[in-house]
This record gives sequence, C-alpha cells and structure tokens, in this order.
Amino acid sequence: SAVISQKPSRDICQRGTSLTIQCQVDSQVTMMFWYRQQPGQSLTLIATANQGSEATYESGFVIDKFPISRPNLTFSTLTVSNMSPEDSSIYLCSVKEGEDYGYTFGSGTRLTVV
Amino acid sequence: GQNIDQPTEMTATEGAIVQINCTYQTSGFNGLFWYQQHAGEAPTFLSYNVLDGLEEKGRFSSFLSRSKGYSYLLLKELQMKDSASYLCAVRAVKLSFGAGTTVTVRA
Repeated sequence: SAVISQKPSRDICQRGTSLTIQCQVDSQVTMMFWYRQQPGQSLTLIATANQGSEATYESGFVIDKFPISRPNLTFSTLTVSNMSPEDSSIYLCSVKEGEDYGYTFGSGTRLTVV
Repeated sequence: GQNIDQPTEMTATEGAIVQINCTYQTSGFNGLFWYQQHAGEAPTFLSYNVLDGLEEKGRFSSFLSRSKGYSYLLLKELQMKDSASYLCAVRAVKLSFGAGTTVTVRA
C-alpha cells in the first residue's frame, strides 16, 4: 500500500495565524482527501483534492478557511487559516488505493491553537 | 446524507471474542470499511465489504447485509494490543465515518 509522509506531526499555534500541513505520497494517486478529527470524535471529511482542479469542499468547510493545493499527483497541502481554539484538532490526509486496500491515512497533524 | 451508528464502548477479556455492530442509513452504497485506530495514531485499514456475506482475514472478520444496512466486525482470540477504537465507514459518493467503538481488552 501507499506510504504517506505528513508533516508537521504536531504544532502549537497562536490564534489568528495560519498553518500549512503537507502530505507526500510515495506513488501517484488521483484523489487525496483531507479529514479533521476533533478530540474524542470520528473523522470528518474537509475536502477532496484533485490534481489540476480546485478542491471540492464538504458542507461547513470553505476555501478561504482551508485552502488546499495539489500541484502534482504525489503531493498536497492544507492550510488552516486565521486559526481559533476551535480549530484545535487532528488533521489527516488520505488517499484511495485499490479496493482491497481501502483508504490509507497519513500519520496526522495534531494542532493546538492557543 | 448518511447516518452511521456503532456502540461507544466495549470491554472484553484477553482470548475472548468481541463483535462490533454497525448500522447505517445511506443514499447510495458503494462499500463498507472497518478501520482500527490506536490512541494518537492514524486509522489503519482492516477490511472492506461491498457484497453481502462474511470476509475473513486472520483473527478479524467482517460481515455485511446491504438489505438490513448492517455490518459487524468480529475480533477473535483477543490480544491486549487489540485495545483501540474501531471505526465503521460507509462509502456512497464519499467516505463517511461512524463515531467509533472503543474496545478495551482486559487481562
């Protein structure tokens, strides 16, 4: 299965600032996904990142707050903009492989906004 | 939309069997996944069902009934390392996750 390198693994940020999270995949994938997992909760899809087109955002998530880049088939970034304490969460990227492997996740970025 | 329900917590003894149920309501269905997530780590893929029936992978088995909107994950010969959260995820247009079941294995 694909190997995903996600960084940073954790960060503590001041409110009002922005953080960019990077995901690098060791193989070319068409679709990459960004999820948020708030403390004690399950994963919520933020957006789907497609190479060569704008990301598709889920209800409740907007591009101005979570801009995404997808410059090629192995890399994507998610920026959490103008952060507030409510953005404290774990952010994960994911790729879809063949059906037998499901979706593979990066190791996650644990963000704390103070 | 999708509604995915699974129990919040389960406790079992080492060596025993535990069955985690998942019920779902979805508009469209294109597969059901089970993931294991240890505290502070990313989810790891366990199983995928798209047709009715049982899929077995070593100590883990997963069952699906599409007509009932029901799946279960069966963990056999429980080990201490199986203590984790188990997430049921349903794919329609997108992949949506249940809230997860925290399984605690006691010695």
